[in-house]
Amino acid sequence: AQSVTQLGSHVSVSEGALVLLRCNYSSSVPPYLFWYVQYPNQGLQLLLKYTSAATLVKGINGFEAEFKKSETSFHLTKPSAHMSDAAEYFCAVSDGSASKIIFGSGTRLSIRP
Amino acid sequence: DVKVTQSSRYLVKRTGEKVFLECVQDMDHENMFWYRQDPGLGLRLIYFSYDVKMKEKGDIPEGYSVSREKKERFSLILESASTNQTSMYLCASSYGSGPRQTQYFGPGTRLLVL
Repeated sequence: AQSVTQLGSHVSVSEGALVLLRCNYSSSVPPYLFWYVQYPNQGLQLLLKYTSAATLVKGINGFEAEFKKSETSFHLTKPSAHMSDAAEYFCAVSDGSASKIIFGSGTRLSIRP
Repeated sequence: DVKVTQSSRYLVKRTGEKVFLECVQDMDHENMFWYRQDPGLGLRLIYFSYDVKMKEKGDIPEGYSVSREKKERFSLILESASTNQTSMYLCASSYGSGPRQTQYFGPGTRLLVL
């Protein structure tokens, strides 16, 4: 069965610092992986997704993620945090069939001025 | 742009009431989903639908039912609301089949059951 684990329910960084949000996955088939972001009082929106075309995936708002099969990881990074990046971030994996995806428990990112 | 709308942003109901949550998408998507979101648990799938009049149980269907009479509309029904159904409910839709499809989400309905 497919699953994702997000390490750290809350991450706090200073404005301008590196953002690193960790995600490890488990999948019995080649995975498709997603990062979604949820800003306060809003639904989720797609940041980026890995669909096996390239291991380094670039998304919106300067975020990127690298698929590492040997480490079963798909960590999300941004070189320089901005106050507007404060949100909750969800890693997700396709369940291997049809269109269902399985979400991690989320990481809340706070940005210190 | 894909737009997914949900009928209410906030809802307060009494225990035992029948509750309807409505979701409408405007991009002719085949797939629609209902999730509930609780702190520390992420999103959990309640029900989903691949086509009109078709529905499949997700991970936590107990206490819920759904209806999809038209392609653009997917309703979540709480037959007899209970306090443990207090949560944020999110609707999503996606196009086509296969595991790489992006899901598009509505803004959510925050339900409080007293």
